[in-house]
Amino acid sequence: DGGITQSPKYLFRKEGQNVTLSCEQNLNHDAMYWYRQDPGQGLRLIYYSQIVNDFQKGDIAEGYSVSREKKESFPLTVTSAQKNPTAFYLCASSLWSANEKLFFGSGTQLSVL
Amino acid sequence: DAKTTQPTSMDCAEGRAANLPCNHSTISGNEYVYWYRQIHSQGPQYIIHGLKNNETNEMASLIITEDRKSSTLILPHATLRDTAVYYCIVRATGANSKLTFGKGITLSVRP
Repeated sequence: DGGITQSPKYLFRKEGQNVTLSCEQNLNHDAMYWYRQDPGQGLRLIYYSQIVNDFQKGDIAEGYSVSREKKESFPLTVTSAQKNPTAFYLCASSLWSANEKLFFGSGTQLSVL
Repeated sequence: DAKTTQPTSMDCAEGRAANLPCNHSTISGNEYVYWYRQIHSQGPQYIIHGLKNNETNEMASLIITEDRKSSTLILPHATLRDTAVYYCIVRATGANSKLTFGKGITLSVRP
């Protein structure tokens, strides 16, 4: 089945620890995105990537890092510099054109111990 | 990106049409209107999008006013499974266009 897979579904971070969230897609999509969602809020864009080995900051990139070494993978690292990491993280992908729809994964809930 | 304004919440009876409004008064000529919905603790799901003309698919209809300053998403026969947060978004065209999600409108479908 084609789709976008996020893992793990739940993740816990200790103080000062970096954690990495996985996002894989087999839709052959060019573009991939990471969003953060806080309770009762909309989605805020962290990073996005249009092609392999290239990515751009979104609206709230501080404290996060990404890589795009393969077309199908776009992992997000939440670094210790992110002081309030508890949130629901969503990965999405799309073909890269002006009016292509996004396909979302099922999300990762990150909590701080 | 142009911004959108949606009511915070609304409800409708099961089996009736749900009409979800959205204002986007600053929309520019090359911006599309998108609708997504998010069921609790899941990723958003694409519903429909349009530029000028009204659009219909198997999930919903999108009615865009002639001046493009507002639109309405119509779920013709709402079911309990349509209870979700619905996001109205406008997206600029161009190489760096991206979707920006606001808080959306919470639709509650009652039995």
